[in-house]
Amino acid sequence: EAQVTQNPRYLITVTGKKLTVTCSQNMNHEYMSWYRQDPGLGLRQIYYSMNVEVTDKGDVPEGYKVSRKEKRNFPLILESPSPNQTSLYFCASSLRLTHEQYFGPGTRLTVT
Amino acid sequence: GNSVTQMEGPVTLSEEAFLTINCTYTATGYPSLFWYVQYPGEGLQLLLKATKADDKGSNKGFEATYRKETTSFHLEKGSVQVSDSAVYFCALSDRESGAGSYQLTFGKGTKLSVIP
Repeated sequence: EAQVTQNPRYLITVTGKKLTVTCSQNMNHEYMSWYRQDPGLGLRQIYYSMNVEVTDKGDVPEGYKVSRKEKRNFPLILESPSPNQTSLYFCASSLRLTHEQYFGPGTRLTVT
Repeated sequence: GNSVTQMEGPVTLSEEAFLTINCTYTATGYPSLFWYVQYPGEGLQLLLKATKADDKGSNKGFEATYRKETTSFHLEKGSVQVSDSAVYFCALSDRESGAGSYQLTFGKGTKLSVIP
């Protein structure tokens, strides 16, 4: 089954404790991206990757890092999480940017 | 830069009512346009898309027509059901002005609630 998986689905952590949210897709897609969804602000892109070893900033990259060492994986790293990063995070992939985006189920992160 | 503006919600309709969710955009090139739907507790999934002017996307009774003259991509459905209750996002994909990469831009979402 074609899908995008994210782990963990729920995470509660404390300020400053490094964390990684994993994202994996099994569709051999070139394009992957991370979004955060906040009430009243909709969906905002954090980082995206056009292919292996090619990443670029989206609209709200501050406080986040990503890497794309393999085509299928695109982890999101928060080196020093802060409460303003409490949000719902989605990973997505597509064959090309102009094509349909496939979204993961979301990771709800709470930073206290 | 590119932008997408969609009507503020929430929208509450009775079952079998007609639905319109307005979406307008600004883009420098010739964008592809999308409507995504997010059901409670789930990720977004593509509802329909249109890739050029005058194209009509349709799926599950929903329709939207790519209107370049009015830069709009309004979502419509003739008779909504309770199961259509969700958040709807309008989005565009376009080549960023002066750059080689594409930009994907989402609207803020419109929450629809359909009551029996």
